[in-house]
Amino acid sequence: SQQGEEDPQALSIQEGENATMNCSYKTSINNLQWYRQNSGRGLVHLILIRSNEREKHSGRLRVTLDTSKKSSSLLITASRAADTASYFCATDNSGGYQKVTFGIGTKLQVIP
Amino acid sequence: DAGITQSPRHKVTETGTPVTLRCHQTENHRYMYWYRQDPGHGLRLIHYSYGVKDTDKGEVSDGYSVSRSKTEDFLLTLESATSSQTSVYFCAIKKGTVPYEQYFGPGTRLTVT
Repeated sequence: SQQGEEDPQALSIQEGENATMNCSYKTSINNLQWYRQNSGRGLVHLILIRSNEREKHSGRLRVTLDTSKKSSSLLITASRAADTASYFCATDNSGGYQKVTFGIGTKLQVIP
Repeated sequence: DAGITQSPRHKVTETGTPVTLRCHQTENHRYMYWYRQDPGHGLRLIHYSYGVKDTDKGEVSDGYSVSRSKTEDFLLTLESATSSQTSVYFCAIKKGTVPYEQYFGPGTRLTVT
């Protein structure tokens, strides 16, 4: 079963609006990562947040992590049409060989 | 793209035939991974490698085998392809030994008829 589950599964917003995606997971983690996938392409790493961090920023991206609720959120501010993609959270609870477990993703459409 | 290539990029094969997918990296990273991506399932780990000749199973390894005889190449073999193995297959590497991010190849779309 998937460790991470994203919510919503699909999101459609207007350009300029903010987009928020959520990820819930089941077991304790070492870190949580967010990836983006454009249609027909491989995944691209966006940001990693460690289990002892609560918030992290990278450009227009803001990630929060609440380990007590086993959840994370990804906020994309001032969205652009180029942000249209699927977004996946991936949890790392392996310890040894750095295996991560991916959720099923949120499909974001930004309408120009 | 972290110097990762996958071949072939597209393949159509018949049920029962063996298929080998190749992942090649140019940066000599230790960790390599094979995933499959299917609608409604996200990415699922098939096998991974932590060095030459060091491999282990992932979440959905049945029907797949792997080999890594040199650092730069990680091969995924479907011994006898089935229609349930129709999927998009991604190879990934991890740079470094701390929990760094993974870098993905462009994917191979495999159709088993």
